[in-house]
Amino acid sequence: GENVEQHPSTLSVQEGDSAVIKCTYSDSASNYFPWYKQELGKGPQLIIDIRSNVGEKKDQRIAVTLNKTAKHFSLHITETQPEDSAVYFCAATYSGGYQKVTFGTGTKLQVIP
Amino acid sequence: GAGVSQSPSNKVTEKGKDVELRCDPISGHTALYWYRQSLGQGLEFLIYFQGNSAPDKSGLPSDRFSAERTGGSVSTLTIQRTQQEDSAVYLCASSRSGGQGLDTQYFGPGTRLTVL
Repeated sequence: GENVEQHPSTLSVQEGDSAVIKCTYSDSASNYFPWYKQELGKGPQLIIDIRSNVGEKKDQRIAVTLNKTAKHFSLHITETQPEDSAVYFCAATYSGGYQKVTFGTGTKLQVIP
Repeated sequence: GAGVSQSPSNKVTEKGKDVELRCDPISGHTALYWYRQSLGQGLEFLIYFQGNSAPDKSGLPSDRFSAERTGGSVSTLTIQRTQQEDSAVYLCASSRSGGQGLDTQYFGPGTRLTVL
């Protein structure tokens, strides 16, 4: 089955700096990679996703990149703000069947004002 | 419209007791998923429902865990004879179809289970 590794487990940045979270996956059949943000006491919420036919996707201050050959993908947050502080999860799934999603272990991001 | 709701939000129980956790998915979503999130860990898949049937139960950790879904809507996750290692946050998610295609999974706030 799919295995997703995520690094770092914790990340502290100064407000305004950039944050990068990296993930690797094992199953070359995976073709959809969502990123979730989980705030304290809440369930994960989708913030951005990328499909395997795309190398990069941006949404305001958030961008994701995908390297299919190396089987890794990354989340980039620019101009970080205190409200970006949360746990971020990467995930990988395959659209050939039902959407069983394999999650990474999460990155706790702290943005220091 | 309303999102995914779960109840209770917190549950404290004694070892050996049975517990029931409830999930109300978004109206019209046919796919429903249960996950477990232990402290410092990622989300561990438990079971997937398509309508009232569960094509994939592969994530249930033991026969003490069971789940059902009635009317293609509400789902209940039951843990019998709870053990301390069952302590975790149990998350429910639903998506529009769960079949071909890549529907976004919408998560509920979770139920925090503590087994003393």
